[in-house]
Amino acid sequence: ETGVTQSPTHLIKTRGQQVTLRCSSQSGHNTVSWYQQALGQGPQFIFQYYREEENGRGNFPPRFSGLQFPNYSSELNVNALELDDSALYLCASSSRGLSSYNSPLHFGNGTRLTVT
Amino acid sequence: AQKITQTQPGMFVQEKEAVTLDCTYDTSDPSYGLFWYKQPSSGEMIFLIYQGSYDQQNATEGRYSLNFQKARKSANLVISASQLGDSAMYFCAMREAASGGSYIPTFGRGTSLIVHP
Repeated sequence: ETGVTQSPTHLIKTRGQQVTLRCSSQSGHNTVSWYQQALGQGPQFIFQYYREEENGRGNFPPRFSGLQFPNYSSELNVNALELDDSALYLCASSSRGLSSYNSPLHFGNGTRLTVT
Repeated sequence: AQKITQTQPGMFVQEKEAVTLDCTYDTSDPSYGLFWYKQPSSGEMIFLIYQGSYDQQNATEGRYSLNFQKARKSANLVISASQLGDSAMYFCAMREAASGGSYIPTFGRGTSLIVHP
């Protein structure tokens, strides 16, 4: 069974630039969600994708957007980067999406983004 | 108000002893799920244990057990026979209903556990 993989592992960008982070979900999982984890904080939910459509969004501005592909892999795009976007970005997959409260999330190792 | 509160920023335990990590939650939804995750320094969040709001028995998974006290809205994680590899950040999380019928996960700020030899 292949776990959740994220790329790249580290990234340094300049304020105002755009970034794309990638995630491959665990085999058999059709739902992908993204989280931002600032230093010393717990993960904060950004949004979820189910069957290639956004299906639930946290309190993040529209410059955070995403895609899900037919193979259930996903991308997180952040436009107009700000210094406060520096964080660990985690991707998680699950088999039952956000319509169920009892399905655990399976996380990747994350992408550490630094904005200078 | 905080949805998930973890009041212990850091905890220390001797190897082979048991340790309890505290978590309280706030929700008015009767249907919710409570989770604990472990995050080693590598960054990956590892699912440990789940408790549903309607579950009558406390959840157990190997050395992990969840002390679920619904009236007090607490869901403490108990790790028995601590091992050096248990040193990590531990996050309590809850999934409750949001608008549109989805269950958005909310995480606490975490507790850093250090196991001493």
